[in-house]
Amino acid sequence: QKEVEQNSGPLSVPEGAIASLNCTYSDRGSQSFFWYRQYSGKSPELIMSIYSNGDKEDGRFTAQLNKASQYVSLLIRDSQPSDSATYLCAVPRGGGADGLTFGKGTHLIIQP
Amino acid sequence: NAGVMQNPRHLVRRRGQEARLRCSPMKGHSHVYWYRQLPEEGLKFMVYLQKENIIDESGMPKERFSAEFPKEGPSILRIQQVVRGDSAAYFCASSMYPGQGGISYEQYFGPGTRLTVT
Repeated sequence: QKEVEQNSGPLSVPEGAIASLNCTYSDRGSQSFFWYRQYSGKSPELIMSIYSNGDKEDGRFTAQLNKASQYVSLLIRDSQPSDSATYLCAVPRGGGADGLTFGKGTHLIIQP
Repeated sequence: NAGVMQNPRHLVRRRGQEARLRCSPMKGHSHVYWYRQLPEEGLKFMVYLQKENIIDESGMPKERFSAEFPKEGPSILRIQQVVRGDSAAYFCASSMYPGQGGISYEQYFGPGTRLTVT
């Protein structure tokens, strides 16, 4: 069974700094990777997907994938208090269309 | 463009009653997924459906839980004879075929149904 590991935190970062969130996965065959943001009491919101080694940038967010190390990360530049949330890393359970296996999430706190 | 819709948003049931949760996927999406999030726990996959077919129900408890996605109408997650341990947030997500050569079925989540069993 695929596993996804994240440091639960809380990770505290000062406003304006770079927040770095990390995730490791167990299945070397995984092809696609997703980052979701979940505010307390709300549903997960997809913020990034990545499936090629290297970096993918979208606004203040950068996802980084290293398949050899089975490691995916999310960088948030110029962190804002509104970025305070739980960030979930996910991989498909099997093929690309399958349900997702989620990590337990990292609780990020941006300090004003 | 409406997102994934779920109703009801909040549902209170007494032990032993039935709970029916509904999900309408995003327009153009034919893949539906149900997840459960217990208090202070992670998000767990339950079932993956396409129209009139259950593709993967390996994450769903074998008793009391069932799911369907009929040809017409929303997907339904049904919990019979609810117990207190069923109290949780139930999320539906949907995705679409990414096109030839694509591998990333991005899943978009609805607002969830918060089930409370008293």
